[in-house]
Amino acid sequence: NAGVTQTPKFRVLKTGQSMTLLCAQDMNHEYMYWYRQDPGMGLRLIHYSVGEGTTAKGEVPDGYNVSRLKKQNFLLGLESAAPSQTSVYFCASSYLAGASYEQYFGPGTRLTVT
Amino acid sequence: AQSVAQPEDQVNVAEGNPLTVKCTYSVSGNPYLFWYVQYPNRGLQFLLKYITGDNLVKGSYGFEAEFNKSQTSFHLKKPSALVSDSALYFCAVGSGGYQKVTFGTGTKLQVIP
Repeated sequence: NAGVTQTPKFRVLKTGQSMTLLCAQDMNHEYMYWYRQDPGMGLRLIHYSVGEGTTAKGEVPDGYNVSRLKKQNFLLGLESAAPSQTSVYFCASSYLAGASYEQYFGPGTRLTVT
Repeated sequence: AQSVAQPEDQVNVAEGNPLTVKCTYSVSGNPYLFWYVQYPNRGLQFLLKYITGDNLVKGSYGFEAEFNKSQTSFHLKKPSALVSDSALYFCAVGSGGYQKVTFGTGTKLQVIP
């Protein structure tokens, strides 16, 4: 049982390049989330999904797109990377819908945009 | 809207002493409250949560937290700190009326040998 995994662990992009971050979970969780973590700002929700085939915007969605074609996978895309997107990205999942359920986090992806 | 505040960026405590990491929150309705811990270069790990019931919640690694409705606080505590407790701690809040969880900015706990 691997829990939540993220690929890649590190990436350096040049401004304007695109990339996709992959999140996978093997716990059969319904909810999945993408966060970014920046110093002094805690975690901010980018997008989330309440089930296969559904996505919704979070607190800071601009510049990102997501897809959840399979229940176990949640992809985060950057169409045209900007230096402001330099951050650590975390994926998380939770068993069911609702804010009362704890979230399980992946190890993170450290992205640098130059 | 909902929010959570962790007023201390860093807390230093001597090994063996009790520790407290503070958290206050603001929600409409009944709160769901969480503590998570993050070790260097790792994702967040769930420690404990309060949904309803007893105001004192016990969690992993000997941590506990006390829910205080009148003070809108949910402070994390441990009777005797270990050097291995040194990490970044996040408080988070959710509510039934707003199905997402809001995280605080984190408090770095440094346990000094």
